[in-house]
Order: sequence, then structure tokens, then C-alpha cells
Amino acid sequence: QEQLVQSGTEVKKPGSSVKVSCKASGATFRTYAISWVRQAPGQGLEWMGGTIPDSGTTTYALKFRGRVTITADKSTSTAYMELRSLRSEDTAVYYCARESAGDYFDHWGQGTLVTVLS
Amino acid sequence: QSVLTQPPSASGTPGQRITISCSGSRSNIEGNPISWYQQLPGTAPKLLIYSNNQRPFGVPDRFSGSKSGTSASLAISGLQSEDEADYYCAAWDDSLSGWEFGGGTKVAVL
Repeated sequence: QEQLVQSGTEVKKPGSSVKVSCKASGATFRTYAISWVRQAPGQGLEWMGGTIPDSGTTTYALKFRGRVTITADKSTSTAYMELRSLRSEDTAVYYCARESAGDYFDHWGQGTLVTVLS
Repeated sequence: QSVLTQPPSASGTPGQRITISCSGSRSNIEGNPISWYQQLPGTAPKLLIYSNNQRPFGVPDRFSGSKSGTSASLAISGLQSEDEADYYCAAWDDSLSGWEFGGGTKVAVL
């Protein structure tokens, strides 16, 4: 059974960067796309972008292009999301999620709280 | 503002049937499969329905999905107190080349 385990809570200052990791336990990491979805306090889900580890193909939501980088390390079955130039509005829980058949997200990480505080 | 539109809330009494709508466009709902997610307070979203109307193993058959044109619906029949959660629809958007989520619907069991 696939499991996605994310890194822990982060507290950052405005203008800094954060890098969140997502380690997959299953044997299929390379061929499934991994997406990053965030949820601000009391708000809905927002897709940030995703990557297919095997091909390196990466897609970003327009809103985050230029400020986010999503990568994957096949040797450790770990995906990463780095968000730069942090501002208070980036305070949110960040989730990684596995895309199945390109049609839906069947496995989710537990979430990582990132707080941007001056 | 979400590209996919959901009502912010829905409610019902135990045993009732409720439906949640998700309205979109040709570039998302009409052209691509829709999925639904349940998010209990303080937890990660969980896949509830995929490919418009398919239930993953372990999801009760009280939950059902449908799609017609640019709209989709999630129905919950035999409403139970444990169904109190936020529900989100999602679909790939061909125009935006990205995933879109609905704004979410909070379900209350009265």
C-alpha cells in the first residue's frame, strides 16, 4: 500500500524559502505523477504543480510559476516542493498527492504546516 | 475564485439524501473525468469518487457520483453523523493546463 510521508512543520520569515519533502513507500514512485496542493487556514484546496519522477516532466499552476520548484529524487523515492519569496499569505498546510491514471489523487501525504511569520 | 463552483454548505438529517453540485466548463468537467474528496476536520483529503462515478475500495455505496455536460454531482444517501466533513470536486482543466478544485462544500448533519 502506497504511503506518502511528509517532512515536519516549518516556521519561516517573509522573503525566505521553504522546502518540503514527500517520501513514497511504494515501488511505483517513478511512474506516477506527484502533485503539491496547499490549503490556507479555513480555505479550500489549491493545486500548485506536479512532476512525473521518471521523465522529469513538471507542470506548475500559473499563479506559482517562477516562485515554486518541484523536483523528485528517484533514488530515495522522495519528491520536493520549494517555495521562495515567502509572504504571510503562503501560511498553509501543504500536501503532496499521487496522481493515478492522470485522473485523480488516490494517495495523500499527511500535510506539512508552513507558517510565515515576521 | 475557483474555476469549479460548489455550494458553500449543505445539510440534512440522519438518513436523508443530499446532493452537492459542481459546476464547470467544457475545458474541465465536460472534457475530463471528475473526482470527489472528503476532508474530515484536521485531516488530509481522502479520495471518495473517481472517474465521475467509481468508488475506491472501502468507500460505502451510500456515496455516488454523476456527471452531465459541464456539471457533476455527489450524492450521499442514508446520511450519517460521520459524514460531517468538507467535500471537494476536482478536474483537470485543458485551458489552464492544470488541476482545478471546487471551493468545497461543508456538510452538516442536523
